[in-house]
Amino acid sequence: GDSVTQMEGPVTLSEEAFLTINCTYTATGYPSLFWYVQYPGEGLQLLLKATKADDKGSNKGFEATYRKETTSFHLEKGSVQVSDSAVYFCALSGYGGYNKLIFGAGTRLAVHP
Amino acid sequence: DAGVIQSTRHEVTEMGQEVTLRCKPISGHDYLFWYRQTMMRGLELLIYFNNNVPIDDSGMPEDRFSAKMPNASFSTLKIQPSEPRDSAVYFCASSQTSGGSNTQYFGPGTRLTVL
Repeated sequence: GDSVTQMEGPVTLSEEAFLTINCTYTATGYPSLFWYVQYPGEGLQLLLKATKADDKGSNKGFEATYRKETTSFHLEKGSVQVSDSAVYFCALSGYGGYNKLIFGAGTRLAVHP
Repeated sequence: DAGVIQSTRHEVTEMGQEVTLRCKPISGHDYLFWYRQTMMRGLELLIYFNNNVPIDDSGMPEDRFSAKMPNASFSTLKIQPSEPRDSAVYFCASSQTSGGSNTQYFGPGTRLTVL
């Protein structure tokens, strides 16, 4: 079945460092891909999405490109801030259930001053 | 515009008691999802509805769990009887089919503690 695999955390970085969080997927068909972010004590918020191959989603300095050939959707940011500390979830829309999302396990990011 | 509303942020109950969690989806959304999040198991989809009809409840852990959606603006998740291992954060999310968007919008969650 459809699945999402994320790199394990926690990821610990200094402020202004470059961030990559890897995400690969297995899916039937052509899913949409998402990154959600969860700040402490809050629900998940959509960070960015891409709906077809080679699309790039971007928001708040974060980017991810839908790579069909490598079945990947890696999250990147050029310069992280302390306020980016959160848990990041990669997700895809499942086959046959257009509105149902399959989530990865989440990657915790901690950014230190 | 109001987001998904889960008005109870913390719920504490004792083992064996019935507990009901409530959710109001975003107006106009036709899908509603219930998730559970724990440190051990991460984020789990319990059940989801489309146009108030349950579509997939395969994630509901046991018969002690039940969910209803009596109308488009309200859903409940009930645990009866509750057990300590049900302690978790329960999220409700909603999405809409129209416009081709399948983005889910999450509520703030209800942290359930079963003593």
